[in-house]
Amino acid sequence: EIVLTQSPGTLSLSPGERATLSCRASQSVTSNYLAWYQRKPGQAPRLLIYGASSRATGIPDRFSGSGSGTDFTLTISRLEPEDFAVYYCQQYGSSFTFGPGTKVDIK
Amino acid sequence: QVQLVQSGAEVKKPGASVKVSCKASGDSFTFYYMHWVRQAPGQGLEWMGMINPTGVTPTYAQKFQGRVTVTRDTSTSTVYMGLSSLRSDDTAVYYCATGYCSAGSCYAFDSWGQGTLVTVSS
Repeated sequence: EIVLTQSPGTLSLSPGERATLSCRASQSVTSNYLAWYQRKPGQAPRLLIYGASSRATGIPDRFSGSGSGTDFTLTISRLEPEDFAVYYCQQYGSSFTFGPGTKVDIK
Repeated sequence: QVQLVQSGAEVKKPGASVKVSCKASGDSFTFYYMHWVRQAPGQGLEWMGMINPTGVTPTYAQKFQGRVTVTRDTSTSTVYMGLSSLRSDDTAVYYCATGYCSAGSCYAFDSWGQGTLVTVSS
């Protein structure tokens, strides 16, 4: 099973700042099948990025994904108030596993 | 996108079984694989299993083999997840989600239900 590790566990930032979230896999992710989801309290996860770098439908361009192999990054270029949430990475190249999440909270 | 509406919260005793439903709306539902994911309190997201568009071929995570059953009623666009021999650590929010699979590869989950809280307590 591919284990995903996310860092940092919590990221405290102010609106307008740039957020950089990391996701590392225990082995190479097949075809870079790596997704990022946003989760707000009381809501279901929302797909942001798939295939490591492709934005899902309706996702603002301040969200971008990059990386390959075992190291992936989600960047939020300028945090909006609605972006404070928990972010999970998921690999779907070999079954499906999720990372433990990074919480982005207001500084 | 497909809209997914799940059944309400459940409270069960240890050893019992639970069955959670997920009703879809939208024409493209018939092409989707349906997944089940859970999140226990303070824990991460955990994939449990999925079922193909025709409802013939379920696939389960090894951890849940023998305890989970995923079925699909194509006539009502509803998918069900049954979990048996419930334990206290099965207390979690259970989500259904849609995804595509093709030529041996499956893809990210692009629509999710609102979640169903299952509480296992004596």
